[in-house]
Amino acid sequence: EVQLVESGGGLVQPGGSLRLSCAASGFTFSSYAMSWVRQAPGKGLEWVSAISGSGGSTYYADSVKGRFTISRDNSKNTLYLQMNSLRAEDTAVYYCAKSIEITFGGVIVQYYFDYWGQGTLVTVSS
Amino acid sequence: NFMLTQPHSVSESPGKTVTISCTRSSGSIASNYVQWYQQRPGSAPTTVIYEDNQRPSGVPDRFSGSIDSSSNSASLTISGLKTEDEADYYCQSYDSSTAVFGGGTKLTVL
Repeated sequence: EVQLVESGGGLVQPGGSLRLSCAASGFTFSSYAMSWVRQAPGKGLEWVSAISGSGGSTYYADSVKGRFTISRDNSKNTLYLQMNSLRAEDTAVYYCAKSIEITFGGVIVQYYFDYWGQGTLVTVSS
Repeated sequence: NFMLTQPHSVSESPGKTVTISCTRSSGSIASNYVQWYQQRPGSAPTTVIYEDNQRPSGVPDRFSGSIDSSSNSASLTISGLKTEDEADYYCQSYDSSTAVFGGGTKLTVL
């Protein structure tokens, strides 16, 4: 059974930093891309960042580029999101998601999510 | 990137059939797979349709997905509505290293 368990959320002041973790089990972690998706209170889903199975390729939404860093430790079956220079608008529940990445000629042509964690709440406020 | 537009809300009675649309703003809806995610109140999203019309194991066959090139849209149809289907539904596709979500549709079963 696939399980994804996020941790590391909490209250942080504007300009501060936080590192989220996602512990994965029930599948061969290194064989799959992974993503972070967030949901601000009362709002819809917003893709944040993605990383390939090897960790060699990373992708970011424009809203977090330069502030957030996604990484993974395949020996620990764990996904991370380092969040710096946090803003009030980063307040959200952050979900990690096991991802399906379909490539053609080395280019990603399809990308979606098949399993989701329960999420961890990040609140940015003074 | 393109946008995916969904109705803000839909409602229907138990036992009936409801269809939720997801319209792509530019480019062909057939260019990239469309997925549908269900999010019940207070819970994480789950996948109910992937690759336009495929159901994950465990998702009842009351849920079906389709795409329509003439309207450049995807649809999620839920038949035999149950109260447990009341949830937010999001469509999602992909473009240029970005996963794109629709704004979500609140389904009320009353």
